[in-house]
Amino acid sequence: DQQVKQNSPSLSVQEGRISILNCDYTNSMFDYFLWYKKYPAEGPTFLISISSIKDKNEDGRFTVFLNKSAKHLSLHIVPSQPGDSAVYFCAATQGGSEKLVFGKGTKLTVNP
Amino acid sequence: DADVTQTPRNRITKTGKRIMLECSQTKGHDRMYWYRQDPGLGLRLIYYSFDVKDINKGEISDGYSVSRQAQAKFSLSLESAIPNQTALYFCATSDFSPGTSGRAVNEQFFGPGTRLTVL
Repeated sequence: DQQVKQNSPSLSVQEGRISILNCDYTNSMFDYFLWYKKYPAEGPTFLISISSIKDKNEDGRFTVFLNKSAKHLSLHIVPSQPGDSAVYFCAATQGGSEKLVFGKGTKLTVNP
Repeated sequence: DADVTQTPRNRITKTGKRIMLECSQTKGHDRMYWYRQDPGLGLRLIYYSFDVKDINKGEISDGYSVSRQAQAKFSLSLESAIPNQTALYFCATSDFSPGTSGRAVNEQFFGPGTRLTVL
């Protein structure tokens, strides 16, 4: 049973527009959420995170929104750039656990 | 210089062979992890270690073993490789650091990956 779901395998947007990547989770005990970005032939790199006590966290062009009642989070990238083209993984953890539970990833393509 | 390195980067082997994947880190982190990534399945945790004396099974540990030789080194072994162990393997490290909420943040730092093919 998948606890972290990224239902869109891929997303394509134009340069300069907004990219919105979605993530849903089923485990109500999750209290910390992270987004990782992965380029081909490289390991994932941490992008941004959010605690369940917040509903928004912003870092430059990247903003993560958390809707606890809907068990849903989203990553907004504004404006999107071609260098943002990568696979984005949503991950969740609970109670300071060492274990991260990852979604399957969404491949973002930003077209020039 | 890479903080988390993995060797080899690519390996092709045959069914039944013993394989060892190695991971080294210079970040000084205590915690180390091994994941595998399969197409369309995301990353799944195989084993993790809090320190050289502490090894824990992850979600999919069957068919794998690990060794934490030192704080900086964590190896993953496939005692008798089988084709469904063909995957991309990642090592990661972490150390708690305070987040903006004051809560510890389990940010993990990943190596570049090892692509393993079992024929």
